[in-house]
Amino acid sequence: GAVVSQHPSWVICKSGTSVKIECRSLDFQATTMFWYRQFPKQSLMLMATSNEGSKATYEQGVEKDKFLINHASLTLSTLTVTSAHPEDSSFYICSATPGGGNQPQHFGDGTRLSIL
Amino acid sequence: RKEVEQDPGPFNVPEGATVAFNCTYSNSASQSFFWYRQDCRKEPKLLMSVYSSGNEDGRFTAQLNRASQYISLLIRDSKLSDSATYLCAVRPGNKLVFGAGTILRVKS
Repeated sequence: GAVVSQHPSWVICKSGTSVKIECRSLDFQATTMFWYRQFPKQSLMLMATSNEGSKATYEQGVEKDKFLINHASLTLSTLTVTSAHPEDSSFYICSATPGGGNQPQHFGDGTRLSIL
Repeated sequence: RKEVEQDPGPFNVPEGATVAFNCTYSNSASQSFFWYRQDCRKEPKLLMSVYSSGNEDGRFTAQLNRASQYISLLIRDSKLSDSATYLCAVRPGNKLVFGAGTILRVKS
């Protein structure tokens, strides 16, 4: 149980392109999902908390107009990297917690984004 | 000061060795604690939650010291397949805060 699916797993595209990443909870409903970014040899950094039916909460230093988050249903959150540039190249990972509270978060497979 | 700090590593150990990782956290209001394992270029996978009384899962033992605000992970009888980055994670609210990770390399 507690499966989180992320798609696509790998994206290579030209600078200026907008890229959408999907995160789905397959066997549970998630009112809250989280988006992380991880640069090589660094830890996961929380970018934003995605809230179903309302606006996402962004961490300090993360541009909300650059990283658009939509959480339109209890099983799907999307992250769109708008007008991506090479410095946006990173490993993006989503997570969700079944049941909330003190339960551990389960992660999607991650999306490796490479902007040329 | 970082909210969650870990041993920098890397830890290079022979097969069969016992290795311990420590992780300290700064927010005393933290309520949940976890150890995750991350393989190269993969997502983190939950290794174990850490409970106040300490808990064990096979060769892995996790402990929590609230007074000193640290958690630990002990791996006994290391296997080659234990080679990975181990991330501690702390939840002070509904967000999970990760340490930078400790690299473990188990060699034959």
